[in-house]
Amino acid sequence: GAVVSQHPSRVICKSGTSVKIECRSLDFQATTMFWYRQFPKQSLMLMATSNEGSKATYEQGVEKDKFLINHASLTLSTLTVTSAHPEDSSFYICSASTASGNQPQHFGDGTRLSIL
Amino acid sequence: KNQVEQSPQSLIILEGKNCTLQCNYTVSPFSNLRWYKQDTGRGPVSLTIMTFSENTKSNGRYTATLDADTKQSSLHITASQLSDSASYICVVSAKDSSYKLIFGSGTRLLVRP
Repeated sequence: GAVVSQHPSRVICKSGTSVKIECRSLDFQATTMFWYRQFPKQSLMLMATSNEGSKATYEQGVEKDKFLINHASLTLSTLTVTSAHPEDSSFYICSASTASGNQPQHFGDGTRLSIL
Repeated sequence: KNQVEQSPQSLIILEGKNCTLQCNYTVSPFSNLRWYKQDTGRGPVSLTIMTFSENTKSNGRYTATLDADTKQSSLHITASQLSDSASYICVVSAKDSSYKLIFGSGTRLLVRP
């Protein structure tokens, strides 16, 4: 089945640090990749949608200068949390899809980000 | 407003028993409905995906139903196992230009020995 790899799985760093999270589709070409954020005991909240080679589309309330997304190839998207602060601590999950519509989204295993 | 509501919020059952999780949605226009299983600290894993014309779909011990008229879905788990302990998320896709997924808040299932 389709596999999405997310790295790192856990990050602990000091406030003010920028953190990069990678999302790779291992056995398929991902036309679209999605980035989600999940707080404890809550469901996933979409942060942004990225298509290969174009700028990401951010959801309302998500700062694009804070959460930089790059989707340079059909198998790799990165999310950089710039100058992270404790309130950015969360579980970040990416997903990838070959197309929109009825195609399933395949999720990565998430990155637990803890900012001290 | 597009919404997905799930019930119950949490559920505890004994190993070997069956259970049914509910999902109601108000998403329009409707594209498809998905059930995901999410283990703690992991990403969601797809169980089923159903379109408007599908009433039921099975994946092993998991059976999902869809009533597009009443905008309700259920996920039935048969002969539960300890490994079924997880959050089960109902997700509906809207048939607009973005096909965004609208997530329910999930049902946290605990299967006890």
